[in-house]
Amino acid sequence: DAKTTQPTSMDCAEGRAANLPCNHSTISGNEYVYWYRQIHSQGPQYIIHGLKNNETNEMASLIITEDRKSSTLILPHATLRDTAVYYCIVSGGNNAGNMLTFGGGTRLMVKP
Amino acid sequence: DSGVTQTPKHLITATGQRVTLRCSPRSGDLSVYWYQQSLDQGLQFLIQYYNGEERAKGNILERFSAQQFPDLHSELNLSSLELGDSALYFCASSHGDRGVEKLFFGSGTQLSVL
Repeated sequence: DAKTTQPTSMDCAEGRAANLPCNHSTISGNEYVYWYRQIHSQGPQYIIHGLKNNETNEMASLIITEDRKSSTLILPHATLRDTAVYYCIVSGGNNAGNMLTFGGGTRLMVKP
Repeated sequence: DSGVTQTPKHLITATGQRVTLRCSPRSGDLSVYWYQQSLDQGLQFLIQYYNGEERAKGNILERFSAQQFPDLHSELNLSSLELGDSALYFCASSHGDRGVEKLFFGSGTQLSVL
């Protein structure tokens, strides 16, 4: 699986958009970009994933660059409850056993 | 609530002992994954089972073993415990057998080895 690079930490004001970047320059054609988050010591929570098109769901938007070497997770109106560690993961293909490999993630602190 | 149930929530034991962690996947999910999260190692994939069969193995120690039963619940057995085994152990489930599927994680079992 391709490796990802994320900033260690970020701050965001409550109510503002949080834009979390991720670099994955070695991504291959059949690999997806996944985002999960972990609030305190709870189990990781799936947010969104995409292959090459931008994606949006009720939680967030995922913007993937045309060359697919980077992506941005957007939380449109961050709340205090969005304070968490956000993991960008690249994994994929059609083979069984392609596991999600979690890196260090970005610790997002949403401040009042 | 992810629908994945893990028991117990907390476990305190001594070095050299053996413990069993239990996981019930979401209804309809056939795959179960085990992850270990320690302060210095982050989230590490241990093992995956799909419909009762082992599908993938990660950084799982030989002292650890797992199985998935016909009712699809899974158990992770940790033996000859060492201080360094203290960690949060998460179970996750998904419908299919590809690890890239959307995973639903349980709330974890906090293991403390004293």
